[in-house]
Order: sequence, then C-alpha cells, then structure tokens
Amino acid sequence: LAKTTQPISMDSYEGQEVNITCSHNNIATNDYITWYQQFPSQGPRFIIQGYKTKVTNEVASLFIPADRKSSTLSLPRVSLSDTAVYYCLVLNTDKLIFGTGTRLQVFP
Amino acid sequence: GAVVSQHPSWVICKSGTSVKIECRSLDFQATTMFWYRQFPKQSLMLMATSNEGSKATYEQGVEKDKFLINHASLTLSTLTVTSAHPEDSSFYICSARPIGTTLSTDTQYFGPGTRLTVL
Repeated sequence: LAKTTQPISMDSYEGQEVNITCSHNNIATNDYITWYQQFPSQGPRFIIQGYKTKVTNEVASLFIPADRKSSTLSLPRVSLSDTAVYYCLVLNTDKLIFGTGTRLQVFP
Repeated sequence: GAVVSQHPSWVICKSGTSVKIECRSLDFQATTMFWYRQFPKQSLMLMATSNEGSKATYEQGVEKDKFLINHASLTLSTLTVTSAHPEDSSFYICSARPIGTTLSTDTQYFGPGTRLTVL
C-alpha cells in the first residue's frame, strides 16, 4: 500500500519559491502522484498531477525523479494567499488516503 | 467545470436527531463518490466509498448504521448522520470521481464541506 510522508509544516515569505517534497517509497507502477491544496473550512482543491519527470501548469510545477519514490511540488513566488495545507497523494487500492499534509505559512 | 456542491454548508442540531448532507456533482456524472470527515487541525479521514446503485463500502471503524449513505443517481450522494451526538461534530467533505477516470490517475473533485455541530 502506497503511503506518503511530507514535512508537517513550512514557513516562507512572499515572493519566494517554495518546494515541498513528498516521499512515497511503495508507489505502484501505474500510480500517479497528485497534490491538493486545502484552505481552512474548505474542501481540497486539485493542484497538479504527474507520473514522471516534470509537469507544469499555471499554478505549480511537479518534479518526479526516475525512481518515482518521491516528488516535489514547487510553488513559484508565493503570496499570502498560498497559506494552506498541501497534501501529496498516491492512489491506494481505489481510494485516496490523506496523510498529514504540509501546512505552509507565508509571511509578508 | 467539475464542480461539486454540498448542502447544507453548515448545520447545528440537537443531540439525538438525524442530519442529512447532500453531495452533488453539478456538471459531470460520477459513479463513485467518497465521504470524508475532518476534525480541527487534522487531515481528512475517509469514511466510506459510495457507488451508484450499490451499497457503500465503509472504512474500518466507521459505523454503517450511524452514517447512512445513499447514492441514488450519478450526480447525488447523501450522508445521513443518525442519532447525532456531540462527538459527531466535524467537517464532512464529499468528493466525486468522474465517469471515465482511470483508477491510476484518480482525479477527484471535492465539495466545499459541511460543518456539523451537535449540541
């Protein structure tokens, strides 16, 4: 069963690039890696998904090394509104199991 | 696109009463919907998987007779908290997996959540 591990919390300042790394040592061959963002009292919001190498969208980039045992979510030039909890997930037998997530706090 | 709604957004009820929460996929059909519970400062905990036209599959430790799930159509799933007690107070979130999504990519769209407070 795939399980993810990520830092509990991170601090940053506005304008900086933030990289959140997630480890998923037992990822299965067919599994994709998905990142969600959650603000307080809201449902999670899909950020990005990838299988290998690099994926980029208008919000973030996702870097996945060849062995796929980890992934790094990169948020360029964060702002105060990026303060949230970020979850890294791998499909786990037909369902998403949320880990602890990383609580990102952005300071002015 | 891919919007999921929940109703109500918040509810306060007395202990012993039942509360029904609706989850709707507004612009897509979903054969599978999921129900999560989240306590303050904690992660989402999967409660059950709901498949249209069949019985829900509950996670270990979740009482199926207390949390009744009905997935009557491809766009609607309901969660009923029966005989609610203060310890059931939580943030309940649903998600929907669009038809045709491959399991490996598993793109799910989440509702905004329902805040339940049991007095």
